[in-house]
Amino acid sequence: GDSVTQMEGPVTLSEEAFLTINCTYTATGYPSLFWYVQYPGEGLQLLLKATKADDKGSNKGFEATYRKETTSFHLEKGSVQVSDSAVYFCALRESGNTPLVFGKGTRLSVIA
Amino acid sequence: DAMVIQNPRYQVTQFGKPVTLSCSQTLNHNVMYWYQQKSSQAPKLLFHYYDKDFNNEADTPDNFQSRRPNTSFCFLDIRSPGLGDAAMYLCATSRDRQVNQPQHFGDGTRLSIL
Repeated sequence: GDSVTQMEGPVTLSEEAFLTINCTYTATGYPSLFWYVQYPGEGLQLLLKATKADDKGSNKGFEATYRKETTSFHLEKGSVQVSDSAVYFCALRESGNTPLVFGKGTRLSVIA
Repeated sequence: DAMVIQNPRYQVTQFGKPVTLSCSQTLNHNVMYWYQQKSSQAPKLLFHYYDKDFNNEADTPDNFQSRRPNTSFCFLDIRSPGLGDAAMYLCATSRDRQVNQPQHFGDGTRLSIL
């Protein structure tokens, strides 16, 4: 079945450092890909998405590119802030009849 | 602002005592989802409603049920909570079931079992 694999956390970075969180997926078809963010004590918020190969999703300085050849959707940000501290979930969905499949999440801590 | 609201934020119940969690939405979305999220794990879909059509995930225990009396409200009922049901329960909505439609999440209800 479909699955999503994220890099293990926690990840600790200094403010203004470059961020990469790796995400790879396994799917039988052509899924849509998502990054969700969960701040402490809150629900998940959609951060960005990409629906087809080579699409780049971007939001709030975060970017991720749908790479079909490597089945990857790595999240990047050029300069992180303390306020970016959260858990980041990579997810995929194959069709309207299948559920959103999440990775295990990567906890990011940014220190001043 | 339009949003997904879950009440209460924290719920404590006794082992075996039925409990109901509620979710309301002002987005007028057709689909409402319930997820269970245990500590440091990914959310796991329990079931969803597409309008009035209930869709249960194959591995959701019978102990978990849901009701959607109207478009705005959806309830999660746990008939006889066990210690293993302690978790964060997240409600989400989407306009429809198109694959690229984002899901909008509430802040969750954290359930504790005594």
